[in-house]
Amino acid sequence: LAKTTQPISMDSYEGQEVNITCSHNNIATNDYITWYQQFPSQGPRFIIQGYKTKVTNEVASLFIPADRKSSTLSLPRVSLSDTAVYYCLVARGSQGNLIFGKGTKLSVKP
Amino acid sequence: EAQVTQNPRYLITVTGKKLTVTCSQNMNHEYMSWYRQDPGLGLRQIYYSMNVEVTDKGDVPEGYKVSRKEKRNFPLILESPSPNQTSLYFCASSEQGAREKLFFGSGTQLSVL
Repeated sequence: LAKTTQPISMDSYEGQEVNITCSHNNIATNDYITWYQQFPSQGPRFIIQGYKTKVTNEVASLFIPADRKSSTLSLPRVSLSDTAVYYCLVARGSQGNLIFGKGTKLSVKP
Repeated sequence: EAQVTQNPRYLITVTGKKLTVTCSQNMNHEYMSWYRQDPGLGLRQIYYSMNVEVTDKGDVPEGYKVSRKEKRNFPLILESPSPNQTSLYFCASSEQGAREKLFFGSGTQLSVL
């Protein structure tokens, strides 16, 4: 089972681009990389998932290098409402035991 | 509306008094799981269920029980709660073959005195 390592916290200012990197050196061939966002007093919610190269949706972009040993969640032009904890999960669809990392607490300042 | 519903939202109890936290999903998901969240430790999986009548231990199962008699329900049982089980608990569900794409409930804040 792949374990992940993320920075504990990050600070940013409104309007900046934020990149959060997750390391997953023992990722398996069939594993996907999934990111979740968690606001205070709420459950985590899925924001983006990828397998390789780049994925983009209305919320974020996910960059995955060729060796897949890391991934970077990119949040363009953050606002105060992007203040949250972001979790990286590396797992495959058939997997039952899901191991989340400790998450990255992003604080966006005005 | 597709959702995972947990009850209660807040619970204060005393050591040793059995309690159950309920979890229900309306998306016909086969996979359901429970997590606890503690400061600095992130989300840790307690138990999971691949389908009805199939449950298995996660990373921190000690002191907890679960059952999966129906597809939509996955209650978490603490037979004899202790103060170290004070935590924020989340239930989640997902589809077969895409278990990593989880839908989470709103959480249950449990305090054991």
